[in-house]
Amino acid sequence: KAGVTQTPRYLIKTRGQQVTLSCSPISGHRSVSWYQQTPGQGLQFLFEYFSETQRNKGNFPGRFSGRQFSNSRSEMNVSTLELGDSALYLCASSLGWGGAGVDEQYFGPGTRLTVT
Amino acid sequence: SQQGEEDPQALSIQEGENATMNCSYKTSINNLQWYRQNSGRGLVHLILIRSNEREKHSGRLRVTLDTSKKSSSLLITASRAADTASYFCATDARGGTSYGKLTFGQGTILTVHP
Repeated sequence: KAGVTQTPRYLIKTRGQQVTLSCSPISGHRSVSWYQQTPGQGLQFLFEYFSETQRNKGNFPGRFSGRQFSNSRSEMNVSTLELGDSALYLCASSLGWGGAGVDEQYFGPGTRLTVT
Repeated sequence: SQQGEEDPQALSIQEGENATMNCSYKTSINNLQWYRQNSGRGLVHLILIRSNEREKHSGRLRVTLDTSKKSSSLLITASRAADTASYFCATDARGGTSYGKLTFGQGTILTVHP
């Protein structure tokens, strides 16, 4: 079974630009979560989608948005990029039924975003 | 903000030795999970322990959970150089909406010398 894939793997953008990152979950997984990882703040939850619906959102400004498609693939968008948005962005997929808490997450390799 | 704290922040050992990492968290949880990350890559799930479990084993890994102290430990026995990585504990909070949301500790950097 193929793992979680993320594209692109590396990205360099300029302040003020916008960026779209893509995540393809493991086949059969309906939940996709996104995390931002920085040296200073560590791993922080951005949002989670299940069957095209956002079920949960972290404490990030509205510049960070996402969506999920009917095939469970997900995208996240960051508008008006700031230097502080430089980070490793990770997506994770799971079955996502949520009945007994968050289940095992399968992470992709991440997208390294650098904002200059 | 991070819910958990991990101790130690860095651990350096020789191959064959055991490595123990500790994690503390602040709120009541459903599950606690441990993940490994190699050199800024994606995280790999190691083990999940539910709040009603006290100990769990998987291969060379042993995890304990003490919900009264809000703490967990990860023991890696007979460490190998390939175990060199950062190790994170992650929790999901009981109550409210926790869909997909894991709160991670700051991590322990483990270095295993051949």
